[in-house]
Amino acid sequence: GEDVEQSLFLSVREGDSSVINCTYTDSSSTYLYWYKQEPGAGLQLLTYIFSNMDMKQDQRLTVLLNKKDKHLSLRIADTQTGDSAIYFCAASGGYQKVTFGIGTKLQVIP
Amino acid sequence: GAVVSQHPSWVICKSGTSVKIECRSLDFQATTMFWYRQFPKQSLMLMATSNEGSKATYEQGVEKDKFLINHASLTLSTLTVTSAHPEDSSFYICSAARLAGGSTDTQYFGPGTRLTVL
Repeated sequence: GEDVEQSLFLSVREGDSSVINCTYTDSSSTYLYWYKQEPGAGLQLLTYIFSNMDMKQDQRLTVLLNKKDKHLSLRIADTQTGDSAIYFCAASGGYQKVTFGIGTKLQVIP
Repeated sequence: GAVVSQHPSWVICKSGTSVKIECRSLDFQATTMFWYRQFPKQSLMLMATSNEGSKATYEQGVEKDKFLINHASLTLSTLTVTSAHPEDSSFYICSAARLAGGSTDTQYFGPGTRLTVL
């Protein structure tokens, strides 16, 4: 089955850019997602990208997809303290089963 | 749009009792709803897929009789944890998926329900 991996922790200074990386194993994955989870809360969909796209930009967020290497990244420009959270990468072959990574905890230092 | 709510947001119960968690899609019809479980410092694990009007499909290792799922309408799915025990304590998250014009759409997640079994 699908396996999604991402680093556990990232620390950046306020105002810097954050880059969270993710790899997945199933080349047939159609949708790649980034979710944000704040402490004690559910998941908030940040953005998603179709597998036929290389890049998607939405305000401060930029998603890059390297389909050949099955590598996905999320870049947050001008990182703020409010961005501190756990970010989950996820992959899906459709709107069926979604496989999540373990989550990357982003710590923003003022 | 695409808001999913869960009720309750947290619940504490005694061991041996049953707990029902509701998941509602507030502004769209969800033909499929999903139930996830999240252990501390771990990712989400899919428990079951629920289709309106039919039996839920459970993932391997998930006890059907333990976690009862009902998807009675296009906007409501319920998860009942029967005879709960302390090891069932967890964060339960539902999501709802809608079809848009015949094409697939993403999943929208509820805020989660924290269950603590004493």
